Amino acid sequence: DVKVTQSSRYLVKRTGEKVFLECVQDMDHENMFWYRQDPGLGLRLIYFSYDVKMKEKGDIPEGYSVSREKKERFSLILESASTNQTSMYLCASSLPSSPYNEQFFGPGTRLTVL
Amino acid sequence: RKEVEQDPGPFNVPEGATVAFNCTYSNSASQSFFWYRQDCRKEPKLLMSVYSSGNEDGRFTAQLNRASQYISLLIRDSKLSDSATYLCVVVTGGGNKLTFGTGTQLKVEL
Repeated sequence: DVKVTQSSRYLVKRTGEKVFLECVQDMDHENMFWYRQDPGLGLRLIYFSYDVKMKEKGDIPEGYSVSREKKERFSLILESASTNQTSMYLCASSLPSSPYNEQFFGPGTRLTVL
Repeated sequence: RKEVEQDPGPFNVPEGATVAFNCTYSNSASQSFFWYRQDCRKEPKLLMSVYSSGNEDGRFTAQLNRASQYISLLIRDSKLSDSATYLCVVVTGGGNKLTFGTGTQLKVEL
């Protein structure tokens, strides 16, 4: 059973703080993704990674960075948190597309920036 | 125009009813299509893939119309447990990147 875990379910931070969101998967998946989900906007891709130390920008990368030092772990970093980054953050993983494999999601981190 | 568009609903239906959702996509080069289900305050999970020939899984039927660029999900004999948000997902390009619709909310009532 694939398991994707995220470091926190709820997080409250102040404007300007540096924020780290951690995601770990236990199924040896090459691909990992970070999304944010907002009412009326759906899931939007922030960054993804095909392999260790590789990263690609998604649709809304501004204000975010990522780190993938180990295959099982993909971190999302908010360098200086702002109130418009208040959102639900979802991590996902998948095998390489052959073709277009299912993405498995973590439970999400609800981040509030005050 | 959004890449993937869905009616947000909610669709309120009685138990046992048949309900259908549509989803339109803008990129004619899109290659694969899926329906994901998201329960309230939970993560999305794959419900089913959508094939050109249609796909049926129990009470659920998914269909693709490439000419009109839409996919549909039909749920027969609705159960209370079907209450959720149904996300339309389209794959374009390399195959690893999914584009999600905003979801259609279904509420099945007694």
